[in-house]
Amino acid sequence: NAGVMQNPRHLVRRRGQEARLRCSPVKGHSHVYWYRQLPEEGLKFMVYLQKENIIDESGMPKERFSAEFPKEGPSILRIQQVVRGDSAAYFCASSTITGNTEAFFGQGTRLTVV
Amino acid sequence: GQQLNQSPQSMFIQEGEDVSMNCTSSSIFNTWLWYKQDPGEGPVLLIALYKAGELTSNGRLTAQFGITRKDSFLNISASIPSDVGIYFCAGDSGGGADGLTFGKGTHLIIQP
Repeated sequence: NAGVMQNPRHLVRRRGQEARLRCSPVKGHSHVYWYRQLPEEGLKFMVYLQKENIIDESGMPKERFSAEFPKEGPSILRIQQVVRGDSAAYFCASSTITGNTEAFFGQGTRLTVV
Repeated sequence: GQQLNQSPQSMFIQEGEDVSMNCTSSSIFNTWLWYKQDPGEGPVLLIALYKAGELTSNGRLTAQFGITRKDSFLNISASIPSDVGIYFCAGDSGGGADGLTFGKGTHLIIQP
């Protein structure tokens, strides 16, 4: 998982605020995946992006959540008007090719909503 | 959606013992993956399996892709303290357009 950088590592937000989570993929990787992990659970797929395109967002809630992966800069997962149920660890993974079997994961951002 | 049943949920073993855990699914996967996650860290890929029936080793770890493509197991031989952590199975249905489906994890605890 070396090379996938996520920041911040920990984020505390009050209910109603916005949370912005950043993911810089491994250099040269153009595919990014976001996952959410609740305590004592496995990771749940949220969204798959390539540069400037959302390929699959079937795992992402329709409201308040959005993701982007611009041509330049990191991928951003944005959660508007956070609620307590958004508290979780959010992981980003990147890969060079379509298909995520060789994807590397970052260390995650732990979001706590108070 | 697809679901993976991973068992056992947790294991308490003595150092030096062998460990076995497995995952089953109601649907077929084209690829099975096994990850280890340490506290506060992201998952790290241990073994990837691409063909039904495939048996693959990585040091003391051995994993198999079930013939039916609906199950996989992971064995760890001669466990050591650094094996402590949470082990996840994950399946990839292929197509590249969606993410991995993860099991809920097996907590491995090693008693000295």
